[in-house]
Amino acid sequence: SQQGEEDPQALSIQEGENATMNCSYKTSINNLQWYRQNSGRGLVHLILIRSNEREKHSGRLRVTLDTSKKSSSLLITASRAADTASYFCATVGNEKLTFGTGTRLTIIP
Amino acid sequence: GAVVSQHPSRVICKSGTSVKIECRSLDFQATTMFWYRQFPKQSLMLMATSNEGSKATYEQGVEKDKFLINHASLTLSTLTVTSAHPEDSSFYICSARGTSGNTIYFGEGSWLTVV
Repeated sequence: SQQGEEDPQALSIQEGENATMNCSYKTSINNLQWYRQNSGRGLVHLILIRSNEREKHSGRLRVTLDTSKKSSSLLITASRAADTASYFCATVGNEKLTFGTGTRLTIIP
Repeated sequence: GAVVSQHPSRVICKSGTSVKIECRSLDFQATTMFWYRQFPKQSLMLMATSNEGSKATYEQGVEKDKFLINHASLTLSTLTVTSAHPEDSSFYICSARGTSGNTIYFGEGSWLTVV
């Protein structure tokens, strides 16, 4: 069953703007991960944040985690056309990786 | 970095036939492999978890006799879709987790079209 839900489902922004995607989940987690998927391709791991962490950075990516609200956000700063993709959060619990519904991000050049 | 290879990337088969998809971890030993199914513009749905040398654990609603999973070695898992039907047409993705760490690496996926 789907663990998390993401919003928005789709997001279109101008190149150079920041993109924020949110993820909510339902059960306790060990960690939360964000993945990127280009259309019709496999998934690329972006960043992992552990349940005892609140914020993590990697290049233009910033992830926050609020375990009290069971939510996470992914911020992509200074977006580029190449950032166009679907982004999924995934939670690890009971040794399984369960994906959210995903956000389709379109960067308009 | 770690690489997971899936083969074939695309396959077309006739209704009623069986098709096998392979998932290989190329530079690490994968004690656990996961198989997902993804319909267009939807998220990934976990089908089953396979551990090397043991039977796969299937998610609720996934027919184990239809989707046969074998994880015979630490670098190879296979998914066989038996008696395929057009509704089995989908994007199938495998992932693998090594003996250490939390990172799970994904294959590039396999497009299955049943005609």
